[in-house]
Amino acid sequence: DSGVTQTPKHLITATGQRVTLRCSPRSGDLSVYWYQQSLDQGLQFLIQYYNGEERAKGNILERFSAQQFPDLHSELNLSSLELGDSALYFCASSVGHRSFYGYTFGSGTRLTVV
Amino acid sequence: GQSLEQPSEVTAVEGAIVQINCTYQTSGFYGLSWYQQHDGGAPTFLSYNALDGLEETGRFSSFLSRSDSYGYLLLQELQMKDSASYFCAVRPGAGGYQKVTFGTGTKLQVIP
Repeated sequence: DSGVTQTPKHLITATGQRVTLRCSPRSGDLSVYWYQQSLDQGLQFLIQYYNGEERAKGNILERFSAQQFPDLHSELNLSSLELGDSALYFCASSVGHRSFYGYTFGSGTRLTVV
Repeated sequence: GQSLEQPSEVTAVEGAIVQINCTYQTSGFYGLSWYQQHDGGAPTFLSYNALDGLEETGRFSSFLSRSDSYGYLLLQELQMKDSASYFCAVRPGAGGYQKVTFGTGTKLQVIP
């Protein structure tokens, strides 16, 4: 157990629908990052939050949004889903503001859009 | 922006040594890290280099040359369980909020 919790582990939904993925960072970590990994692809950065504020944005579609709550958990909302959105979605957290010991990843949510 | 290049696949024999290279082009550079990912699993952090030279952690070592924008991961005494994808990743700045950019990954297959 990495300490980063993602739910649900698997999600199957139909095109056009909306889903919410949830992430609880490791205790003490203030930064949360969301990554998308399509089949046999690398990790595509979506968005980052630090202590409740959006800090960096990657190739995140307008149909996608995220937020980080006061208790530091984060949610990634995916709407108007398309077949191409099927992927593994990872959440990661990192230690703190000035030190860096690498990201700790959750086990991911596997989204299948049918 | 940032771009990283790694070989897409590498095959090596159990018990041997393998080196996975990574070259990067970034607008800022603060450190290079390596992650391991087994099929369907979460990436796990292996090592981090902020300064030039070799960092050793057990069977794994990582090297960085900032002047060459180049690094590598060295895996010794390969085991079957080392079959996985390996990603290099660049951290562009010092702040903890800086996002890390990952390479496309190298799939390592260890054969008997």
